[in-house]
Amino acid sequence: GENVEQHPSTLSVQEGDSAVIKCTYSDSASNYFPWYKQELGKRPQLIIDIRSNVGEKKDQRIAVTLNKTAKHFSLHITETQPEDSAVYFCAAPKDTGGFKTIFGAGTRLFVKA
Amino acid sequence: GAVVSQHPSWVICKSGTSVKIECRSLDFQATTMFWYRQFPKQSLMLMATSNEGSKATYEQGVEKDKFLINHASLTLSTLTVTSAHPEDSSFYICSARDLGGAAQPQHFGDGTRLSIL
Repeated sequence: GENVEQHPSTLSVQEGDSAVIKCTYSDSASNYFPWYKQELGKRPQLIIDIRSNVGEKKDQRIAVTLNKTAKHFSLHITETQPEDSAVYFCAAPKDTGGFKTIFGAGTRLFVKA
Repeated sequence: GAVVSQHPSWVICKSGTSVKIECRSLDFQATTMFWYRQFPKQSLMLMATSNEGSKATYEQGVEKDKFLINHASLTLSTLTVTSAHPEDSSFYICSARDLGGAAQPQHFGDGTRLSIL
């Protein structure tokens, strides 16, 4: 089955700086990699996702890159703002069937004004 | 679109009580829904996969007699925590995925914060 590792567990940046969160996965057959943002006490919300047929996807200040060879994918947030402060989770299909999802341990991002 | 409604949002009850949580897909049909548990400052842990019209599939270590799941229609799944104890206190979140298979995002409910006294 899949194993997803996420780093760092905590990240503190100054407003305006960039933040990068990395995840590695173990199953080379995995083909879908979403990123979720969760604010305290609220639901996880999808912020960006990438499928295995592309290497990069961008949506305004948020981008995700995928390296299939190395089996890792990263979330990039540029020009960070205080409202970006939250916990971010990466995810990947749990097994070869890919129907279930396994989440990374999460990264707590603090953006200091 | 793709809204998932979860109720109640907050429950406080005495030890030994059974608690039912509802998860509804409001604007799409979900043949499969997922139930997660999240402890403070931890990740989402999949408890079970709820399949419409059939038995739920539980993850290893999750007691099926403790966490009863019913998926009676394409838009409703329920999780009942039976004879709840303080160690069952947690944040429970459901999710559903649009038809189209695994390479689709999950849509989460708002979660239920369960506190057992």
